[in-house]
This record gives sequence, C-alpha cells and structure tokens, in this order.
Amino acid sequence: NAGVTQTPKFRVLKTGQSMTLLCAQDMNHEYMYWYRQDPGMGLRLIHYSVGEGTTAKGEVPDGYNVSRLKKQNFLLGLESAAPSQTSVYFCASTPLAGGAEQYFGPGTRLTVT
Amino acid sequence: AQTVTQSQPEMSVQEAETVTLSCTYDTSESDYYLFWYKQPPSRQMILVIRQEAYKQQNATENRFSVNFQKAAKSFSLKISDSQLGDAAMYFCASLTGANSKLTFGKGITLSVRP
Repeated sequence: NAGVTQTPKFRVLKTGQSMTLLCAQDMNHEYMYWYRQDPGMGLRLIHYSVGEGTTAKGEVPDGYNVSRLKKQNFLLGLESAAPSQTSVYFCASTPLAGGAEQYFGPGTRLTVT
Repeated sequence: AQTVTQSQPEMSVQEAETVTLSCTYDTSESDYYLFWYKQPPSRQMILVIRQEAYKQQNATENRFSVNFQKAAKSFSLKISDSQLGDAAMYFCASLTGANSKLTFGKGITLSVRP
C-alpha cells in the first residue's frame, strides 16, 4: 500500500514550458486535492476533485488545469509556466467528506526560471 | 470564507519542556473540524491531532493535546516532554463544507534545544 505518490519529485522548467504533475493514490479515495506551499504562506488549495470525472477550482486556480479521468489519479497541468509558479506542490486524498483526515503525498518541488 | 491565523512564525523550546503553539480561526459554519499537521525537514505532511468542533472534550494524542476554545475560536497545540524529533514546521488547519476543503495557517517553525 503506497498511499499517495507524486511524480516527479523535482523539476526545473523554463518560463513558457508546460508540464504535468501526476498524483496517484491506491486507497480508493473519492476526494483528491492539489495544494501549493510557498514560504510564509502555508498551503493553499489550487483545485480539487470529489470523484472521477469531476474537478473544481480552489483558492488559487489561475494558470493551472486538472483532470481526474481515473479515480486513482489526479493530474495537475501547467500550460505555460511562470516564475510565480515556483513552489512545492502537494497532492492529498481523503475517502469521504465529514472531517476525515487528508493523506498527503511527498510533494514536488518545481522551479521555473 | 475560512481563515486560520498563526501569528507566531517561530518558537523554541528546551528538550523535555512543554510548549504551546497558538492558532485562531474564523468560520461561519457550525460543522467543522480542526487539525494540526507537522512538516519535518523531509517535507512530508503528518497529521498530529484532530478535533471535531461539536465535541467539547479536548483531543489528546500521547504527548500532544489541544486547548479548544470554541467561543474564542482558538485552537492551540500543547507539546509535552518535547523531543528533538518534534522540531518541525506546524500547521493549523480548519476543514469545512461538503467537499472537505482544508484551509491552512501560515505555519510556525518549532526548534528544540538539546
């Protein structure tokens, strides 16, 4: 049982390049989330999904897109990376609503130059 | 909108002593949950403790306990018998709504002096 995994762990992009971050969970969780962590800002919600085929915007969605084609995977895309998107990205999942713990992946450190 | 405030960016504690990390929150929801997460240098987010707002009893997990003051919207974390492994960043968070969205505070860096 791997829990929540994220690919890649590190990445360096040039401004304007695109990339996709993959989040995978093997716990059959319904809900999945993408957060970004910046120094002094805590974690902020980018997008989330309450089930396969559904996505919704969080607090800071601009510049990102997501897809949840399979229940176990949640993809975060950057179409045209900007230096402001330099951050650590975390994926999380939870089995249901109602206050259950969110399980976090190990994070992806992305640097945009 | 939910807000979570951690006003102290850093704290330090002597090994084996007790330290309290402060957190206040604001929500218009009647049904919500509060969490403390630990983030060591490995970057992994680890759940420390969870509190249901409808429960008056303060949550406890071994050396970790909370002081939940609902009327004051305060949720502080007490770490007893501090250990070197407790050194980390700690985040307070609230969870509300049918979609279980977490709102985090900015975090506090705790250092433990040997």
